[in-house]
Amino acid sequence: RKEVEQDPGPFNVPEGATVAFNCTYSNSASQSFFWYRQDCRKEPKLLMSVYSSGNEDGRFTAQLNRASQYISLLIRDSKLSDSATYLCVVNEGYDYKLSFGAGTTVTVRA
Amino acid sequence: NAGVTQTPKFQVLKTGQSMTLQCAQDMNHNSMYWYRQDPGMGLRLIYYSASEGTTDKGEVPNGYNVSRLNKREFSLRLESAAPSQTSVYFCASSPSGGGSYNEQFFGPGTRLTVL
Repeated sequence: RKEVEQDPGPFNVPEGATVAFNCTYSNSASQSFFWYRQDCRKEPKLLMSVYSSGNEDGRFTAQLNRASQYISLLIRDSKLSDSATYLCVVNEGYDYKLSFGAGTTVTVRA
Repeated sequence: NAGVTQTPKFQVLKTGQSMTLQCAQDMNHNSMYWYRQDPGMGLRLIYYSASEGTTDKGEVPNGYNVSRLNKREFSLRLESAAPSQTSVYFCASSPSGGGSYNEQFFGPGTRLTVL
């Protein structure tokens, strides 16, 4: 079983729409959680950390559900520039290693 | 600040050839990492270096070796390349490991094809 699983999509949405997707993780002892963004043929970059109480960064909202072991990302008022693959990333403990999901692809159309 | 740099950007090897992928960071980070990314799979950790002078195996270390040359540089070596090593290789660094502060900064990647 993969440590971090994501719906690969793609999610095709019109500009201005709201899109949301989840990621599940297998290790209940996981300590910290992130969403990274990866544009086509580029390196991953941190989008936002995910805190226990949930957090927002502009049009992006991240939630953590420890009981069900999933995190979510919601994008409001989608822009063309939001088209990318979103990687769910989990740190399982107090060490240096991160576990990456395979990514969810979002395509925003005009 | 260049961040994390990698060379080369592209490489084609024949089976059995060797090569070294170079990575350097100018952010004074303690920890460095090598990942591979294959279609439909998440990034998989090959090796990491928690601090200068230390290296440890990650999830998929077979067929690779690493050297933490100094605090800035972390190289990945393929001694005898195989077609299964065709992939995109990313180097990353982070200020330090442990706890909740684990943001990693990635280089632009090396696209390697082994024929």
